[in-house]
Amino acid sequence: QVQLVESGGGLVKPGGSLRLSCAASGFTFSDYYMSWIRQAPGKGLEWVSFISSSGSTIFDADSVQGRFTISRDNAKNSLYLQMNSLRVDDTAVYYCARGIAAADYDAFDIWGQGTMVTVSS
Amino acid sequence: DIQMTQSPSSLSASVGDRVTITCRASQSISSYVNWYQKKPGQAPKLLIYAASSLQSGVPSRFSGSGSGTDFTLTISSLQPADSATYYCQQTYTTTRTFGQGTKVEIK
Repeated sequence: QVQLVESGGGLVKPGGSLRLSCAASGFTFSDYYMSWIRQAPGKGLEWVSFISSSGSTIFDADSVQGRFTISRDNAKNSLYLQMNSLRVDDTAVYYCARGIAAADYDAFDIWGQGTMVTVSS
Repeated sequence: DIQMTQSPSSLSASVGDRVTITCRASQSISSYVNWYQKKPGQAPKLLIYAASSLQSGVPSRFSGSGSGTDFTLTISSLQPADSATYYCQQTYTTTRTFGQGTKVEIK
């Protein structure tokens, strides 16, 4: 079935780095744009980053610009998020999500279960 | 960036009640609004896209309306399974911002 599975979360010190992965299955990965979204403990959802289906277009939230890099490998059906210069306020559950888009709509229809990232000394 | 403001931030209602959640955008965003349901420990679930289109598999008691800056999510007859936090999201701009969420509790 259509599925997204995140991995790579864990405990890291402030200033450290971490690379998240998202494995896609059950659909043609290269046909869809993808995003990362996070939820800090007790907080709401925050969109983090977008990558087009080909990987040629990328957008990031201001809060992570210059520190996080989204990428994808369509041959491996995988999405990545390289996180550098991590801060305490980056602590959150990170979700990958599939984007569906047409002329008059654009939404995240499939989400992974999330991976927890904790930034603490 | 476009700000999405939801109200109320929380509500408590009885099974069978009609529940309405509103979302206001800081500028006109046509119908580029989606609604998601989030339960603790679970992935968010898409309920409504393009302001009023029901996602496949979502119960028909959920509906959405609005365009421009004002949007509404309605649950016509609240069920115990609807206890969750609901988020609106705009996809009009490249920064796909979410509202702050509305927590729905069952009395």
